[in-house]
Amino acid sequence: DIQMTQSPSSVSASVGDRVTITCRASQGISSWLAWYQQKPGKAPKLLIYAASSLQSGVPSRFSGSGSGTDFTLTISSLQPEDFATYYCQQANSFPRTFGGGTKVEIK
Amino acid sequence: EVQLVQSGAEVKKPGATVKISCKVSGYTFTDYYMHWVQQAPGKGLEWMGLVDPEDGETIYAEKFQGRVTITADTSTDTAYMELSSLRSEDTAVYYCATAYFDPHAFDIWGQGTMVTVSS
Repeated sequence: DIQMTQSPSSVSASVGDRVTITCRASQGISSWLAWYQQKPGKAPKLLIYAASSLQSGVPSRFSGSGSGTDFTLTISSLQPEDFATYYCQQANSFPRTFGGGTKVEIK
Repeated sequence: EVQLVQSGAEVKKPGATVKISCKVSGYTFTDYYMHWVQQAPGKGLEWMGLVDPEDGETIYAEKFQGRVTITADTSTDTAYMELSSLRSEDTAVYYCATAYFDPHAFDIWGQGTMVTVSS
């Protein structure tokens, strides 16, 4: 199975800050990586697919980059509604696997 | 509107079996795989498996192999996830999800079904 390692596990930030979350795959996954946002009591929401493609309706302050084993999710200017937990997920092979999550908290 | 609507919360005793449904609307059920994801309280997301509604073929995560059965009923456009030999560690929210727009990402999710396993 491909292991997905996210860092940091949590980050405290203020509105307007730039936030970067990284995700590392235990083996190369080309660009088959997705990012999700999850708020308490809600289903995950797709933000980015194919490592850097913005899902329809997602604000442009979210961006993704990377290929192979190292990936990044960037929120360019954190907004109040962005405080949530973020997960990466590899889509290169089965079983699909997720990172452990990064909780973005209010500073 | 593309939508996945799941069945309601369940409370089960250890050793029992639970079966959760996921009703599809807004797209052709047989065109897209249906996946199931587990989330224990306060924990991350774990992929359990999928079914291809076109032919019923399944792929399961090794962790759940032997205890999980995922099926699809094309007469009602409904997918099911059955988990047997329940134990306390199976207490979790279970989501169905599909890769509707991009085949490699879950863009449509059900609302989740809470399963509590307690004696």
